[in-house]
Formats: sequence, structure tokens, C-alpha cells
Amino acid sequence: EPEVTQTPSHQVTQMGQEVILRCVPISNHLYFYWYRQILGQKVEFLVSFYNNEISEKSEIFDDQFSVERPDGSNFTLKIRSTKLEDSAMYFCASRAWTEETQYFGPGTRLLVL
Amino acid sequence: DQQVKQNSPSLSVQEGRISILNCDYTNSMFDYFLWYKKYPAEGPTFLISISSIKDKNEDGRFTVFLNKSAKHLSLHIVPSQPGDSAVYFCAAPRGSQGNLIFGKGTKLSVKP
Repeated sequence: EPEVTQTPSHQVTQMGQEVILRCVPISNHLYFYWYRQILGQKVEFLVSFYNNEISEKSEIFDDQFSVERPDGSNFTLKIRSTKLEDSAMYFCASRAWTEETQYFGPGTRLLVL
Repeated sequence: DQQVKQNSPSLSVQEGRISILNCDYTNSMFDYFLWYKKYPAEGPTFLISISSIKDKNEDGRFTVFLNKSAKHLSLHIVPSQPGDSAVYFCAAPRGSQGNLIFGKGTKLSVKP
């Protein structure tokens, strides 16, 4: 069964460093999303991406964040200068054109020290 | 304000009995609702959904009920199994791209 994959599974970084989180969505999906879950809190929407551009973003998704689909398979989230409060699980999700269901990857646990 | 609320942080049920997980929402314009299950250190796994034009959807041991007048949905698991022990999230789409709003989750423990 096709699935969303994410790398790395864990990332530890120093405050102020750049990180890139990678995702490979399900191959025939057209909508891509990033969410995050800070420990003990809700899963929160960050950004959606369709047709090679950001379609919607939340207030969390400020200038420090960017997303890219550099080739036909990868979907990346970059945090330019990480802050302590960026420590969270980051989930990638994708959705087919005709479906409502979003399928999530296993997540990347980001720890900013 | 569009919100999805799960007011019970945890639920403990005996194996073989029914588990009922509840979710309330504030926006009557949601087109559908989804339930996800999440194990520790894994991503949310889709379980079952329901369109806002229906009041029930069933898939095996899982049934979701929607009460639009009460803005309430519930997930029933019958019979509950120890492997069902996980955190369950209800979610609803917002915006033109279907960005999901999640509840806080309910941790279900099914005891053998």
C-alpha cells in the first residue's frame, strides 16, 4: 500500500541553525501539507501546497519557514533559523485530487537546543 | 471561530466492550469529518470519515455517528481490542485546500 515517507525520523539542531525536513508524498497525490504537534498540544496546520505553490498557510508559518517541491517526488519544509519553540513533531500529509482523506507520514521529531 | 473539541483526554475500556469517543465542533459548515488513530512516535493513521450529509458511517468494528443539530460526532469501536489502544483524533477541513483542524485527542486504553 502506498504511504507517505519522511526523513529524518529525528533531528537535533542548535538554535539558529537551518533544518530541512523531507517528505515523499504518495505518488499520484496532488495536495501536500505540513503539520506540527508540539508535545502535549494539538496537531496544527502549517501550510498546504498545490500546483507548485503555497495555497494556504497558517499564522505559524512565518518568514522563517519555506516549502519546496524540488523534483517530482520530494516535498520539503525548511526552517531557516530554528528557535527553541520549533521543537515538535512535524508531519507531512498528502491527498489525492478526488479524495477528502489526507494520509500522513510517520513524522520527524525536531529538537532545537 | 472554527473549532473541533475532544473534551475527554482519556478513556479506559475492557476488551470486548464498546469504546465511544466523542467530538464536538463549532462550525456547522464543515463538509466532512475524519477520525485518525495515532500510536506513539507514529503519524496519524486514517480510520474512518463521515460526510456532513450523512448521520452514520460504518466500517467493520468502527462506526461514526454525526448529530448535526448538536454539532457532535462520536466514534464507536465494537468490540474493543487491546490493539485499539492509541490516541484518537477527530478532524475537520477548513479552507479551500481542506487543511485539517484537529481536536486534542482522546487516549484510549483497552485492557485485556
